[in-house]
Amino acid sequence: GAGVSQSPSNKVTEKGKDVELRCDPISGHTALYWYRQSLGQGLEFLIYFQGNSAPDKSGLPSDRFSAERTGGSVSTLTIQRTQQEDSAVYLCASSSRTGKETQYFGPGTRLLVL
Amino acid sequence: GQQLNQSPQSMFIQEGEDVSMNCTSSSIFNTWLWYKQDPGEGPVLLIALYKAGELTSNGRLTAQFGITRKDSFLNISASIPSDVGIYFCAGHPGGGTSYGKLTFGQGTILTVHP
Repeated sequence: GAGVSQSPSNKVTEKGKDVELRCDPISGHTALYWYRQSLGQGLEFLIYFQGNSAPDKSGLPSDRFSAERTGGSVSTLTIQRTQQEDSAVYLCASSSRTGKETQYFGPGTRLLVL
Repeated sequence: GQQLNQSPQSMFIQEGEDVSMNCTSSSIFNTWLWYKQDPGEGPVLLIALYKAGELTSNGRLTAQFGITRKDSFLNISASIPSDVGIYFCAGHPGGGTSYGKLTFGQGTILTVHP
């Protein structure tokens, strides 16, 4: 079946602009995660959605970052008033249930803030 | 927060050689995962480990979940050029409100010379 998809694949924006990144998880997966990967670095957890539970937002770096998950499926990560240090690859992952954390990743959105 | 130390940071090997990399943690993880990331792609799950002492193979790859639950190892036998990429370890503590998010190591960059 289809894997995790993300759009856009690349985004170039000017400092101060808002951006929206989209993630379509694997159909039927109840858990959805956002991570950030800076150049040459590992993945940094941002936010986690599980079913109808309140999301775990503990990884969001500032109040400029927010995420929504509508209808338990598609998620949007929004970065307001982008800064140059926001430039990174934003990765989305989904998994079928907690307890077996086999998270499947999308290809990522490469964000460049000029 | 929790940290994973992954080593080595990079490896340059000849085709046919075996490869070993490891990951250590300052705290206990109850799940260890190994991912490979190709350029421009999201990480792909290679091996998942759920039990202390577990040894699991996937083709030429073998991974072990350390007895102390604070470390894990990945071995690649008889390397081939397509093994090139970045290998990440990831850990998950299991249970509680932090359920879901993974902590990633910094990655091991593998280069295989034909």
